[in-house]
Amino acid sequence: DAKTTQPNSMESNEEEPVHLPCNHSTISGTDYIHWYRQLPSQGPEYVIHGLTSNVNNRMASLAIAEDRKSSTLILHRATLRDAAVYYCTSMYSGGGADGLTFGKGTHLIIQP
Amino acid sequence: NAGVTQTPKFRILKIGQSMTLQCAQDMNHNYMYWYRQDPGMGLKLIYYSVGAGITDKGEVPNGYNVSRSTTEDFPLRLELAAPSQTSVYFCASRRLGPNQPQHFGDGTRLSIL
Repeated sequence: DAKTTQPNSMESNEEEPVHLPCNHSTISGTDYIHWYRQLPSQGPEYVIHGLTSNVNNRMASLAIAEDRKSSTLILHRATLRDAAVYYCTSMYSGGGADGLTFGKGTHLIIQP
Repeated sequence: NAGVTQTPKFRILKIGQSMTLQCAQDMNHNYMYWYRQDPGMGLKLIYYSVGAGITDKGEVPNGYNVSRSTTEDFPLRLELAAPSQTSVYFCASRRLGPNQPQHFGDGTRLSIL
């Protein structure tokens, strides 16, 4: 399976931008990069996905390196509700109808 | 707007017992998935289904069985529960088409003692 690597934890202040990095050097050329987040005692929640170019939606932006070996999830103005574990995911390579492979993720701590 | 509903939320089993974790979605999604999440770890794919009557193994299928008799329901069966199956189990679903986001339930926390 394509392996993703993320820092274990990051800390930021409320109302400041947050940049969450992910390395995915073994991702295949056609696999999209998906980001999910998980709040305590909840299931993961979709955030954003992309292939080669930068992507924006109402939750976040995704900046993908030109060589596709890394990407950065950007929260433009973090709030306390953004405190969660953020997962950069890849497709499970054993088939799986786009089933996902999750690493340990980054625990984002937001300070008021 | 129920989305993906999982029952029960919590369960304690004794070694060797069996049980079925229920998952239902009301979004008419073709694809459904079961994942497990061990403490401090990410999720691993157990089984998946691309439609009623069609299921297949994921990364960690041993010790589990699934069925998909309707579009809405995708139960996960544990036979002969073992301590190694202590985990949080998440069900997810998504629409047909590439790269559609997955919608997750809130999980079933299962302890095998």
